[in-house]
Amino acid sequence: KQEVTQIPAALSVPEGENLVLNCSFTDSAIYNLQWFRQDPGKGLTSLLLIQSSQREQTSGRLNASLDKSSGRSTLYIAASQPGDSATYLCAVIPSAGANSKLTFGKGITLSVRP
Amino acid sequence: NAGVTQTPKFQVLKTGQSMTLQCAQDMNHNSMYWYRQDPGMGLRLIYYSASEGTTDKGEVPNGYNVSRLNKREFSLRLESAAPSQTSVYFCASSEARGATGETQYFGPGTRLLVL
Repeated sequence: KQEVTQIPAALSVPEGENLVLNCSFTDSAIYNLQWFRQDPGKGLTSLLLIQSSQREQTSGRLNASLDKSSGRSTLYIAASQPGDSATYLCAVIPSAGANSKLTFGKGITLSVRP
Repeated sequence: NAGVTQTPKFQVLKTGQSMTLQCAQDMNHNSMYWYRQDPGMGLRLIYYSASEGTTDKGEVPNGYNVSRLNKREFSLRLESAAPSQTSVYFCASSEARGATGETQYFGPGTRLLVL
């Protein structure tokens, strides 16, 4: 059974810091990996999706990398801002016959201090 | 283009009562999903529908039923609510496997409290 782990559960950084959020998964046979953002009391917003054949994706100040062989992904946030404060979740879709069923990590709650 | 919408936003039920959570998407997606989110447990898949007319169980289906009414709508029913079903419920949709990206789009959630 695929398990997705995100450590630490919470992180507090000063504004302007570059930071890395980690995600690890136990089964390397994945179709893709997604990073989501969730604001308090809100739904999830997709940030980046990396196909299994890709190594990274970029969107603005965000960069996500994928290393299937080691079962790891990282979300890099450059020049963090207070508006980046949210919970960040990663999720994977297994390769075979999964009908897009995502397995989620429990998320990392980020607080960016002004 | 509203994306994924869910009703109601908040509901309080007594143990044993029934209710249906509604979800609709206007993105012409084939696949739709119901998740629950609980503190310390993360998001878990309850049921999904790969295409209109099909449904299948996810990780935690007990106590729930679903209906894929048409391509747009996917409802989740609690026949006899229990306190253990107190949670935040999210509906999501995506294009079918093989389309670009398989990004899932989420609704705003329904907060359910069962007393």
